[in-house]
Amino acid sequence: EVQLVESGGGLVQPGGSLRLSCAASGFTFSSYWMSWVRQVPGKGLEWVANIKHDGTEKHYVDSVKGRFTISRDNAKNSLHLQMNSLRAEDTAIYYCARARGCEYWGPGTLVTVSS
Amino acid sequence: DVVMTQSPLSLPVTLGQPASISCRSSQSLVHSDGKTYLNWFQQRPGQSPRRLIYEASKRDSGVPDRFSGSGSGTAFTLKISRVEAEDVAVYYCMQGTHWPPWTFGQGTKVEIK
Repeated sequence: EVQLVESGGGLVQPGGSLRLSCAASGFTFSSYWMSWVRQVPGKGLEWVANIKHDGTEKHYVDSVKGRFTISRDNAKNSLHLQMNSLRAEDTAIYYCARARGCEYWGPGTLVTVSS
Repeated sequence: DVVMTQSPLSLPVTLGQPASISCRSSQSLVHSDGKTYLNWFQQRPGQSPRRLIYEASKRDSGVPDRFSGSGSGTAFTLKISRVEAEDVAVYYCMQGTHWPPWTFGQGTKVEIK
């Protein structure tokens, strides 16, 4: 059974940093692209970033370029999102999802950027 | 960027009746490989999204056959043949043909009348 579990969310002040993680199991993690998608509570879905199976290709939505970095550790079946220079508008639930087509999703982790 | 536009944004339906959601893209979603990368997701209250349909019309494993996807080019439809109580959710379309970015529609809230 495919399982994705995010962690690392929390309350952070504007300008601060957080590192999100996603633990994957139930599939061959190193064979899949992985994605991060976020959702402001009560609002719609926004694709944030994704990374190729071997880490050689990464893509970001314009609003996070230069501030967020996606990475993965295939030996540990884990996906990460380093978020720097956080802004109030980054407040959202962050989901990791398998593949560019987002075929499986985790339960999400809430990031709140507020002073 | 490809803009995805869903309609309606709210859809009250009667149990047992059909429901239909439209999704239009600002560009054709036919990829150079011949495939159409249009997905549909269901997000029930308090839950994560779940993919229902990929490549416009292919149902994911475990998805009830009352859900169907159709369309081509820039116009797509998600249909529920007979709405059940468990179908109350927000439904999103997403394109994966012209990237980055991958883009979602605004969502359509399906509720029971």
